[in-house]
Amino acid sequence: QVQLVQSGAEVKKPGASVTVSCQTSGYNFTTYDINWVRQAAGQGLEWMGWINPNSGNTGYAQSFQGRVTLTKNTSKSTAYMELSNVKFQDTAVYYCVRGRRDSLNYYNVDVWGQGTTVIVSS
Amino acid sequence: QSVLTQPPSASGTPGQRVAISCSGNSSNIGMNTVNWFQQFPGAAPQLLLYSNNRRPSGVPGRFSGSKSGTSASLAISGLQSEDEADYYCATWDDSLKGRLVFGGGTRLTVL
Repeated sequence: QVQLVQSGAEVKKPGASVTVSCQTSGYNFTTYDINWVRQAAGQGLEWMGWINPNSGNTGYAQSFQGRVTLTKNTSKSTAYMELSNVKFQDTAVYYCVRGRRDSLNYYNVDVWGQGTTVIVSS
Repeated sequence: QSVLTQPPSASGTPGQRVAISCSGNSSNIGMNTVNWFQQFPGAAPQLLLYSNNRRPSGVPGRFSGSKSGTSASLAISGLQSEDEADYYCATWDDSLKGRLVFGGGTRLTVL
C-alpha cells in the first residue's frame, strides 16, 4: 500500500536549520508531487510548498520563500524539506502529502506522512 | 488567517445530519475541486473526500460532499460518536503562482 514515512522528531535552537525526510513506497515516486504542510499546536494546516519528483520543479508559499528548500532523491524515493534560520514560531508538526492533477487537470492531495515534530527551543 | 473559511465548530447528536461549509473565491474553489480531510487528535489528516464528492475506498457512504460556485460543503449523515474530529477543506489556488490552500478547520462534537 502507499506509504509516506517521515523522519523522527527534531529539537533545534533558533537560527539553526532542520531537515525532514519523507520516504515513499507503494507507488511510482515520480508520478506524484510531494507537498509539505505544517501544523502548530492547536492550529490549522499551513502549506509550505511542493516539489515535482520527476522534473525537480518546486513552488513555495510566499511566507516561506527564501527559508525553505525542497529536494528529492529519486533513487531513494524520498523527498526532503529543509527549513533554515528556524524561529520559536516554527515549532510545529510537519507533514509531507502526496498530490497530483487528475484527468481534468484538477489538483488533489491524498496520502499524508505520519508527521514530524520540530521543536525550536533555546 | 486561512484562505478558505470554515466554521470553527459544529455539533450534532448521534443519528443526526451535520453539514460543514467551506467558502473560497474564484481563484480557488471557483476554479478547482475540493478535498476534505478528517483529523483525530495526535494523528495526521486523512483523506475523506476528493474531487468535491468522491469517497476513497474505506470511507463510509455517510460522508458526502458538494460544491457550488465558490463554496463547498461536507455532509455527515447518521452521525456517530466516532465522527468526533477536526475537518479541513482544501483546494488548489491559482493565484500567487499556485498554492495549496486550506480552511481553518471545523471541530465536530457529537453530543
